[in-house]
Amino acid sequence: QVQLKESGPGLVQPSQTLSLTCTVSGFSLTDYSVHWVRQPPGKGLEWMGRIQSGGSTDYNSALKSRLSISRDTSKSQVFLKMNSLQTEDTAIYFCTRYPFAYWGQGTLVTVSS
Amino acid sequence: DVVMTQTPVSLPVSLGGQASISCRSSQSLVHSNGNTYLHWYLQKPGQSPQLLIYRVSNRFSGVPDRFSGSGSGTDFTLKISRVEPEDLGDYYCLQSTHFPYTFGAGTKLELK
Repeated sequence: QVQLKESGPGLVQPSQTLSLTCTVSGFSLTDYSVHWVRQPPGKGLEWMGRIQSGGSTDYNSALKSRLSISRDTSKSQVFLKMNSLQTEDTAIYFCTRYPFAYWGQGTLVTVSS
Repeated sequence: DVVMTQTPVSLPVSLGGQASISCRSSQSLVHSNGNTYLHWYLQKPGQSPQLLIYRVSNRFSGVPDRFSGSGSGTDFTLKISRVEPEDLGDYYCLQSTHFPYTFGAGTKLELK
């Protein structure tokens, strides 16, 4: 069945770079786009960006200068890298397959010194 | 960016009653291909969001027919009839017609 699972550090220091991995199973990354969505504690959802089945990427303009999404199709993994983290980047980070019918469980990233 | 205005913020309901949530977009969500990419999600506490309705009015697999979506252009509605305890949580609309995709701010469905 379709599964997605996020992994990465739970704590990142301010100004550092966040690196997250989304490992998928039950489908091929060359057939579906995978997106990243985040949710600050107690707040709403924010679309961050996507990597399409063909490998091209699109980003939220508010994050574009700091965000990079890539993948390794042989490992069924999608990567998120975001630099210059600040406390307001503290959130649960989800990966999801469009039209967001399948989600990972999310991973909480806290930005703090 | 397309602004999704979702109302109400909070919606107290009685079990067995009906609920209606509105989502209005700052511009038309009709794509150049003729489709309208407006979707609805429910997020229960501590869980990932779950897809209820895609492209305005299509129920996702396994979603009860108590959930229905309607609307066009910039004005959309999610209706829940015969509310059950498992329906409680935060509802979000999402538009994926225009980049960046944008969510509504959410509606908390709670017991009256």
